[in-house]
Amino acid sequence: GEDVEQSLFLSVREGDSSVINCTYTDSSSTYLYWYKQEPGAGLQLLTYIFSNMDMKQDQRLTVLLNKKDKHLSLRIADTQTGDSAIYFCAESINNRKLIWGLGTSLAVNP
Amino acid sequence: KAGVTQTPRYLIKTRGQQVTLSCSPISGHRSVSWYQQTPGQGLQFLFEYFSETQRNKGNFPGRFSGRQFSNSRSEMNVSTLELGDSALYLCASSGRETGYNYGYTFGSGTRLTVV
Repeated sequence: GEDVEQSLFLSVREGDSSVINCTYTDSSSTYLYWYKQEPGAGLQLLTYIFSNMDMKQDQRLTVLLNKKDKHLSLRIADTQTGDSAIYFCAESINNRKLIWGLGTSLAVNP
Repeated sequence: KAGVTQTPRYLIKTRGQQVTLSCSPISGHRSVSWYQQTPGQGLQFLFEYFSETQRNKGNFPGRFSGRQFSNSRSEMNVSTLELGDSALYLCASSGRETGYNYGYTFGSGTRLTVV
């Protein structure tokens, strides 16, 4: 079936790196996404990776994709209090639809 | 340029009533999708429209309906509201024919509370 799983909570200290993990089940995914949702706001596209890539870096963000294990991770370097939010992993299936994880709530402690 | 605009931001309705939510996509975007977000279920896909045609529909009862106008603005309607319909309703638009491969821009949502 189609499913995306994420751990629900992550707590880090300011300045440390955060790693948010996601696993998916459908091997026909074409793109995988990371979205960020701050309180009271909609979802903001952070980054995405094409399924034939292993890694993508964008400033403080690094996305790693292990297609064999169907595992996606988002690393945020030098995490700041402004990074506190819910992070959603999503995969596009056969260009037809997006399957979403339940989101990981990241708390950054000063 | 202006982002995705959803109105109203907050809404309180009584069980049995009906409600209409509005979404104005980014200018030039023709693909609009709607999602229901609840703490327990996460993001659940409602529908997707492109050029006034519904292209995809999620697993929601017929009480949930939507449409898209020629200017790409979209509305969704929920009839005979139930307590379980309380949620944040998010609209997202994309400039591509399908937003699946290029990501969506989301609005801030409409928070619907059914009492």
